[in-house]
Amino acid sequence: DTAVSQTPKYLVTQMGNDKSIKCEQNLGHDTMYWYKQDSKKFLKIMFSYNNKELIINETVPNRFSPKSPDKAHLNLHINSLELGDSAVYFCASRTPTRDEQFFGPGTRLTVL
Amino acid sequence: AQKVTQAQTEISVVEKEDVTLDCVYETRDTTYYLFWYKQPPSGELVFLIRRNSFDEQNEISGRYSWNFQKSTSSFNFTITASQVVDSAVYFCALSERLLGGSQGNLIFGKGTKLSVKP
Repeated sequence: DTAVSQTPKYLVTQMGNDKSIKCEQNLGHDTMYWYKQDSKKFLKIMFSYNNKELIINETVPNRFSPKSPDKAHLNLHINSLELGDSAVYFCASRTPTRDEQFFGPGTRLTVL
Repeated sequence: AQKVTQAQTEISVVEKEDVTLDCVYETRDTTYYLFWYKQPPSGELVFLIRRNSFDEQNEISGRYSWNFQKSTSSFNFTITASQVVDSAVYFCALSERLLGGSQGNLIFGKGTKLSVKP
């Protein structure tokens, strides 16, 4: 059973398009996150979502928007994709007591 | 500001050597958590260990051991008798308790790429 899953695993698209990445966790956690890993492997938080409270990293462009249809899902929508959006995007969920974050397998986004 | 520094960008060792990956952190909080994650060439992030700020005991898990020293704000990771399968990027991370008690996000170091040659 996969704890945190993401789809798709690879996403290749043209500049200017709008795309979504889906994330689902079956761990019953309340808090979910999106992280971006750039070409230099640097991991940075984009969003955290806890009990309908969204906390946004101020450096994230407003073309990015997380959407949570229910507690188990936190999808990432990206509008007007740019070359610089090419990266690996990781979804994660956190245990409420032990503060351990479990990561999805990542989605490699390539913008051409 | 909260910060995690992994000064070693890349380390290369020969199999069976011991290797230590350094991690230094900065935080103003008294309650925080420290983590190590492994990212093998396949790309997934694998959780290795979590340590809270009140527990300074060192931990050993098989060939892995961790040395947490609050006095120097360090949380170093040692692999004993390294193996080729240990080749990966290793990330140290910090999580802090925010106002109101909720936990913060993970703040990652830039990672150390470990190459273990046969």
